[in-house]
Formats: sequence, structure tokens, C-alpha cells
Amino acid sequence: DVKVTQSSRYLVKRTGEKVFLECVQDMDHENMFWYRQDPGLGLRLIYFSYDVKMKEKGDIPEGYSVSREKKERFSLILESASTNQTSMYLCASSVDGHNSPLHFGNGTRLTVT
Amino acid sequence: AQSVTQLDSQVPVFEEAPVELRCNYSSSVSVYLFWYVQYPNQGLQLLLKYLSGSTLVKGINGFEAEFNKSQTSFHLRKPSVHISDTAEYFCAVSERYALNFGKGTSLLVTP
Repeated sequence: DVKVTQSSRYLVKRTGEKVFLECVQDMDHENMFWYRQDPGLGLRLIYFSYDVKMKEKGDIPEGYSVSREKKERFSLILESASTNQTSMYLCASSVDGHNSPLHFGNGTRLTVT
Repeated sequence: AQSVTQLDSQVPVFEEAPVELRCNYSSSVSVYLFWYVQYPNQGLQLLLKYLSGSTLVKGINGFEAEFNKSQTSFHLRKPSVHISDTAEYFCAVSERYALNFGKGTSLLVTP
């Protein structure tokens, strides 16, 4: 079974702090993703990566950056956290291809105060 | 961009009753469609997927979905729901490497 592990389940940060959300997958998947989930808005794609050191912006990349130095690890970075970034963040991975299902972690609930 | 619309934000239903959660997609070209379920405080779990072939797709936990090209729909059904089916359900369409999700339907099953 694919396992996608997000390092923190809950996180509380202050406005202006630099925040790192970490995600690790154990199935040698090529693709990794960061989504943000908000009530009534569903899941929105922030960034994804289709290979090591390769990344592409999703629908809402503003205020975020990502890093993928190793195949199994994909980090989401909030350079200067703001209150409107309070949300549930979901990491996912998939094998190569355009029709592969995504495997999700359990999410990190980030609160920015 | 390809998109999906989930027509109901909330669906209340009694235990053992049938349920249908509606999803329409936007694309007129070949699509790959998915249904995911999210139980409280958990990540998303794949219920079923349509890639090609038979238009009736069976998934886990007794759910099934029917791909209807003429109506651009991919509705999720279960003939008899259980309390444990209470969850958020998301329809999604493939867009290059990623998936575009609908806004979700909250299924509430009561005794």
C-alpha cells in the first residue's frame, strides 16, 4: 500500500513566519502534489512536481514555493505566513502518467495567527 | 481547463436508503474521472475511477458510478447506505498530471 506521510498533523504559526510543510512518499512515485482544502471550495492545486527538481504552478501558487530535492520528498514553503493561509494542506503522489489516481496523506491543518 | 461540478453541497439520507451524488464534467474530449471519499480528519481515499471501457464502474464499499458521455455526467450511487458512509465525497477530472476537484458533497446518513 502506498503511504504518503505528512510530518505534522496540526501546526500553529504566527503571521510573517516562514513555514515548512513536509511530505514523504514510499512508493517511488514520479509525481507529487500540494493541495489546499477549504470549506465550500474543495481542493485547489498549489504546486506539483513531476520529477526531482522539477515543479509547476497550480491554480493558486501565490505566497507559496516548493522544493523537491529527492524523489520521495516534496516540501511546501510559506515564505511569510499570512492569516489567509490558514487551511488544511494535503500532499499527494501518483505514478507517472496522465490518468493515475492520486494517493493522499492525512493532511496538515495550519493555523496562522 | 477541465472541471467538474458537484451539484449538491449536502445530501441527507436515512440509513439503508439509496443515494446518488451528482457530478457533471466540462470537457468534450476524452476524460478520466474519479470519485474520492474523505472521512473526518483523514485524507482522501480513492473510491473508483473511470479511464475507459465499461461505463458502469464499481468501486469500494459498495459504491458505483456511471459515465454518461451524452449528459457529461459521472454520478455516484449506492443502493443502501450505512451510517459509516457519512463523509465528504469529491468528484475529480484528470488535467495533465494533476486532478481538478469539485467542491465536494457532504453525505450525512442518519438512523
